[in-house]
Amino acid sequence: QQQVKQSPQSLIVQKGGISIINCAYENTAFDYFPWYQQFPGKGPALLIAIRPDVSEKKEGRFTISFNKSAKQFSLHIMDSQPGDSATYFCAATSGSRLTFGEGTQLTVNP
Amino acid sequence: GAVVSQHPSRVICKSGTSVKIECRSLDFQATTMFWYRQFPKQSLMLMATSNEGSKATYEQGVEKDKFLINHASLTLSTLTVTSAHPEDSSFYICSAPDQKWNEKLFFGSGTQLSVL
Repeated sequence: QQQVKQSPQSLIVQKGGISIINCAYENTAFDYFPWYQQFPGKGPALLIAIRPDVSEKKEGRFTISFNKSAKQFSLHIMDSQPGDSATYFCAATSGSRLTFGEGTQLTVNP
Repeated sequence: GAVVSQHPSRVICKSGTSVKIECRSLDFQATTMFWYRQFPKQSLMLMATSNEGSKATYEQGVEKDKFLINHASLTLSTLTVTSAHPEDSSFYICSAPDQKWNEKLFFGSGTQLSVL
């Protein structure tokens, strides 16, 4: 059973545009929500993360919006660049046990 | 940030042989490490939790006799794929938690295993 659902599966954005990826979770025991960026043939790298007591967190061009009552969170990439083209995974953690979403393949066209 | 080193990055082996993958925490200690498996265009699936000085904990459906995990020190965990078959071909990734914030995981660069 997939406990973290992610959409869309793939996303194509023009350079300078906003990329939005959404995730929903079921387990209310999750207490940490990271986003990972993965390039082909590489391990995931932590991009940004949020805890459920905060509704938004921004780091540079990356923003997480968190809706605890709806059990949803999203990643916004502002001013998307071709170098942002990668696979993005949302995740949810209870302790150090990480549950990943299905992933979103982002392509930013120049 | 902390660095997790994984080796080798790519390995090709014949069916029936065993392959060992190493995962090292370079500048911090890790009493726990995690091993994941990732098929092309799919998400990471947790295979097992490696515990220093004790037996690994395997996820449901993962054969512990096939995927041997050893966590002999605070900085090294190994995954051995025994009697590898073509269906074991996959991308294997390890991770280790931050010492202070254990929900923050650092990932290795992954190992692409191809079994011929």
